[in-house]
Amino acid sequence: EAQVTQNPRYLITVTGKKLTVTCSQNMNHEYMSWYRQDPGLGLRQIYYSMNVEVTDKGDVPEGYKVSRKEKRNFPLILESPSPNQTSLYFCASSQRFNTEAFFGQGTRLTVV
Amino acid sequence: GNSVTQMEGPVTLSEEAFLTINCTYTATGYPSLFWYVQYPGEGLQLLLKATKADDKGSNKGFEATYRKETTSFHLEKGSVQVSDSAVYFCALRNGGSQGNLIFGKGTKLSVKP
Repeated sequence: EAQVTQNPRYLITVTGKKLTVTCSQNMNHEYMSWYRQDPGLGLRQIYYSMNVEVTDKGDVPEGYKVSRKEKRNFPLILESPSPNQTSLYFCASSQRFNTEAFFGQGTRLTVV
Repeated sequence: GNSVTQMEGPVTLSEEAFLTINCTYTATGYPSLFWYVQYPGEGLQLLLKATKADDKGSNKGFEATYRKETTSFHLEKGSVQVSDSAVYFCALRNGGSQGNLIFGKGTKLSVKP
């Protein structure tokens, strides 16, 4: 089954404790991206990757890092999480940058 | 810049009522347009899409037509069901290399039996 898998689904952590949210896709897609969803703001892109070893900032990259060492994986790293990063995070992939995107189930992160 | 504006919710309808969710956009060039649906506790699923002017996307009884002259992509369904209760997002994606999906803020639909 074609899918985008994120882990964990839920995470509560403390300020400053590094964490990684994993994302994996099995569709051999070139393009992957991370979004955060906040009430009243909709979804905003954090980082994206056009292909292996090619990543770039989206609209709200501050406080986040990503890597793309393999085509299927695109982890989101929060080196020092802060409460304003409490949000619902979605990973997405698409064959190319301008084709339809497939989304993961989401990761609800709470930073206290 | 690029932006998407969709009608504020929440929208509450009775089963079998007609649904319209308005969506207008601002974009340079010729974007592709999408409607995504988010059911409670789940991720976003693509509902339908249109890639050029006058294209009509359709799926599961939902339809939307890409209107370049009015920069609109309104979502319609003739007879909603309780199972259609969800949040609906209009989005655009243009040809820029960032590949950023620009989303509207979402419209929550509740359908009552």
